[in-house]
Amino acid sequence: AQKITQTQPGMFVQEKEAVTLDCTYDTSDPSYGLFWYKQPSSGEMIFLIYQGSYDQQNATEGRYSLNFQKARKSANLVISASQLGDSAMYFCAMGSNFGNEKLTFGTGTRLTIIP
Amino acid sequence: DTGVSQDPRHKITKRGQNVTFRCDPISEHNRLYWYRQTLGQGPEFLTYFQNEAQLEKSRLLSDRFSAERPKGSFSTLEIQRTEQGDSAMYLCASSLAGGMNTEAFFGQGTRLTVV
Repeated sequence: AQKITQTQPGMFVQEKEAVTLDCTYDTSDPSYGLFWYKQPSSGEMIFLIYQGSYDQQNATEGRYSLNFQKARKSANLVISASQLGDSAMYFCAMGSNFGNEKLTFGTGTRLTIIP
Repeated sequence: DTGVSQDPRHKITKRGQNVTFRCDPISEHNRLYWYRQTLGQGPEFLTYFQNEAQLEKSRLLSDRFSAERPKGSFSTLEIQRTEQGDSAMYLCASSLAGGMNTEAFFGQGTRLTVV
């Protein structure tokens, strides 16, 4: 069974500062994928970034980067130069071994950017 | 194609009534997923289709729930004899079948309230 743990229910960050959202995971699968999604108040889940368990380098997508530490089973999301529009719920998720037929999500972190 | 669309966006129903939700995936996507999200939680996997075949169902999907994707395009999720515990956001997602880095694109969800 897979498990995702997000221990920060809420975070407040000043605009333009960087923020790190924590995610730890547990799985017995030898290969897996880790995802971060953003959920604004409208409800839609917006894909942000993906990290494969065998990827040698940490993933980056614009202002988003994923700090992947395999030995620690952590996949933290780093948002640089935060903007007011970054205020939302953020979910870490894990895909299964065979191609992400289903995702296991954490409980999320509510990020609020303060002007 | 503007993404995954779900209808209705909101549904209020009386306990014991049947409800049906519709999801139209991104047209070229052959995989379609249903998730349920309750307040304060991340989405939980319910079921997924590859083309018209339903390949996996979660134990969360009781016998009151049924999902179909008759022609491999849109999908419906029906809940019979609704209960108050069914109140949640029902999210649909679609993706291409492939490797682990194929992200799922989500719709804006159908919020169900059972009174």
